Amino acid sequence: DTGVSQDPRHKITKRGQNVTFRCDPISEHNRLYWYRQTLGQGPEFLTYFQNEAQLEKSRLLSDRFSAERPKGSFSTLEIQRTEQGDSAMYLCASSSWDRVYFGPGTRLLVL
Amino acid sequence: AQTVTQSQPEMSVQEAETVTLSCTYDTSESDYYLFWYKQPPSRQMILVIRQEAYKQQNATENRFSVNFQKAAKSFSLKISDSQLGDAAMYFCAYILYSGTYKYIFGTGTRLKVLA
Repeated sequence: DTGVSQDPRHKITKRGQNVTFRCDPISEHNRLYWYRQTLGQGPEFLTYFQNEAQLEKSRLLSDRFSAERPKGSFSTLEIQRTEQGDSAMYLCASSSWDRVYFGPGTRLLVL
Repeated sequence: AQTVTQSQPEMSVQEAETVTLSCTYDTSESDYYLFWYKQPPSRQMILVIRQEAYKQQNATENRFSVNFQKAAKSFSLKISDSQLGDAAMYFCAYILYSGTYKYIFGTGTRLKVLA
C-alpha cells in the first residue's frame, strides 16, 4: 500500500458548477478525515468518518458540501454550486489509531 | 476552546544550526497526542514527531526533538543541525481521545534554511 491517494490532484471549475473529489485511504485505516487548507493557513477540519459512519461535521461545511464513505473504504467530497471562496486545497487523511497520514490533496480553483 | 497557537509565522536558521519552533495549545482534556507535521512547498504533509501527553519524557526522532511542558500546554520543536531539506511549513497539532478523534492544527510556521 502506497499511502493515501486523492483524485484529481487539480481541478479548475467555473462558479456554480458541481465538483466531486475522491480519496482512497490506507486500506486498514478505519478513520478518514477531510480538511481544507487555504494559502498560509493550517488545515481546517471539515468532516470525519469512522468506517462508513460520518461522526462529525464542521460548521464550516455548508449545505453545499456533502461527503460519503459508502463502504467504509474510499470517500467522496462533493461541492455543489461552487463559489470562489471554495478555492482551496482539500486534504484527505486516514488514521488507524494514533497517527494520521495525509494524501497529496486536491487543489480547487473556482473561477 | 480547542486551539493550537503557533506564534511565529516565519523563522530562519543557518544551515547546520539549531532552531526551535514554538507551539501552545488549549484543552481541558488529559488524554491526547501532540504532533509536528512538515509540509514542503507543493508537497504532501508528513509526520515529523509525536508525543503522548501521559509521557513525561520528551520525544526524539534523529535531529528532531520536542520540549513538552504539559502544565504550560507548550510543545516546541527543536531541529538540530538544520539542513536545506528542512525548509517547509511546520504545523503543530493535537488529537483528543475522548469523544472526538479529530486533529486540531495550528496556523503553521514557515521555516527558511539559509545556506
